[in-house]
Amino acid sequence: DTGVSQNPRHKITKRGQNVTFRCDPISEHNRLYWYRQTLGQGPEFLTYFQNEAQLEKSRLLSDRFSAERPKGSFSTLEIQRTEQGDSAMYLCASSFTGSNQPQHFGDGTRLSIL
Amino acid sequence: AQSVTQLDSHVSVSEGTPVLLRCNYSSSYSPSLFWYVQHPNKGLQLLLKYTSAATLVKGINGFEAEFKKSETSFHLTKPSAHMSDAAEYFCVVILNSGGSNYKLTFGKGTLLTVNP
Repeated sequence: DTGVSQNPRHKITKRGQNVTFRCDPISEHNRLYWYRQTLGQGPEFLTYFQNEAQLEKSRLLSDRFSAERPKGSFSTLEIQRTEQGDSAMYLCASSFTGSNQPQHFGDGTRLSIL
Repeated sequence: AQSVTQLDSHVSVSEGTPVLLRCNYSSSYSPSLFWYVQHPNKGLQLLLKYTSAATLVKGINGFEAEFKKSETSFHLTKPSAHMSDAAEYFCVVILNSGGSNYKLTFGKGTLLTVNP
């Protein structure tokens, strides 16, 4: 079963460090999404790609955040100069192109900032 | 604007009894609605989706949901709870305005506890 894969599953780092997460979507899916989920809340949309093009970024995505999907396959999410408030679960999802396509999620990367 | 409200943050049932998880939505456009389930430290799994076809939608693991436009509701039900159903459940809406037919808006979640 080749679902959405995220690495690492857990990341612990000191405040001020840079971190990078990777997402491998379902191979047939053109669209890839990043969400952030804090404790006790539902996930919040961060950004999405159609193939390699980043088509929308949420206001939640500050200048310290950057996402790429260089070849339209896997994606990376980098956070520079991490802050305590960045501690969260970062979820990646993918889907086919088209209206209302269900999004399939990975198991997430849990980021803890010391 | 669109939003989704899950009316209960926590629901507790006994194994073998019915489950009802309530969700109301507000949307200026005809919505698409989903229920996702999240087990501890895992990603989200799609249970079912409504996209303006049949108003009663059947999903996986015996769950179903009914879209009621007059009540702006999309409640999730299951006739008989199983221990493995214990998890967090999210009601999700997509705005169908044509421009943002991909952005999921999540409710705050309902934690389902199943007692033996």
